[in-house]
Amino acid sequence: DVKVTQSSRYLVKRTGEKVFLECVQDMDHENMFWYRQDPGLGLRLIYFSYDVKMKEKGDIPEGYSVSREKKERFSLILESASTNQTSMYLCASSLRTEAFFGQGTRLTVV
Amino acid sequence: GESVGLHLPTLSVQEGDNSIINCAYSNSASDYFIWYKQESGKGPQFIIDIRSNMDKRQGQRVTVLLNKTVKHLSLQIAATQPGDSAVYFCAENMRAGSYQLTFGKGTKLSVIP
Repeated sequence: DVKVTQSSRYLVKRTGEKVFLECVQDMDHENMFWYRQDPGLGLRLIYFSYDVKMKEKGDIPEGYSVSREKKERFSLILESASTNQTSMYLCASSLRTEAFFGQGTRLTVV
Repeated sequence: GESVGLHLPTLSVQEGDNSIINCAYSNSASDYFIWYKQESGKGPQFIIDIRSNMDKRQGQRVTVLLNKTVKHLSLQIAATQPGDSAVYFCAENMRAGSYQLTFGKGTKLSVIP
């Protein structure tokens, strides 16, 4: 079975902190994605990557960056956390179109 | 903006009845659709998919119907069980060759014992 693991289930950070959300997949998938999920808004794509060192902006990249140094790992970085980045963050990987999700990281910025 | 949406944000169904969850999409070029189930505290899980060259696909207790004429997608769950209680999302792949999915806002299914 595909396993997508996010390093934290819950995080509480202070405004202005630099935050790293880590995601690892074990199925050698080329594609990896970061979404945020907010009530009433569904899942919105922040960034994605189709290969090591490659990254593309999704629909809402502002305030975020990503890093893909190894194929299995895709990191989401909040350069300076703000309260409006309080959300559920979901990482996903795929070989083609079917995406497999991690369990999510609920981030609260205070 | 969102091109994938849902007709109903919540749905309550009696245990044992059939459930129908609807989804409208606006991009006629979308070639692939997926239904995901998200239980509380978990990430979305794949349920079933369908390509645009099909109009029906069946899985175990689930059926997806695609009506390209009216750009409508539905998920039917037979003999709904308490374990089916979750939020259901439809997602579309809007561009062939792209691996991005655009998600709807979700429908919360509650099963009444």
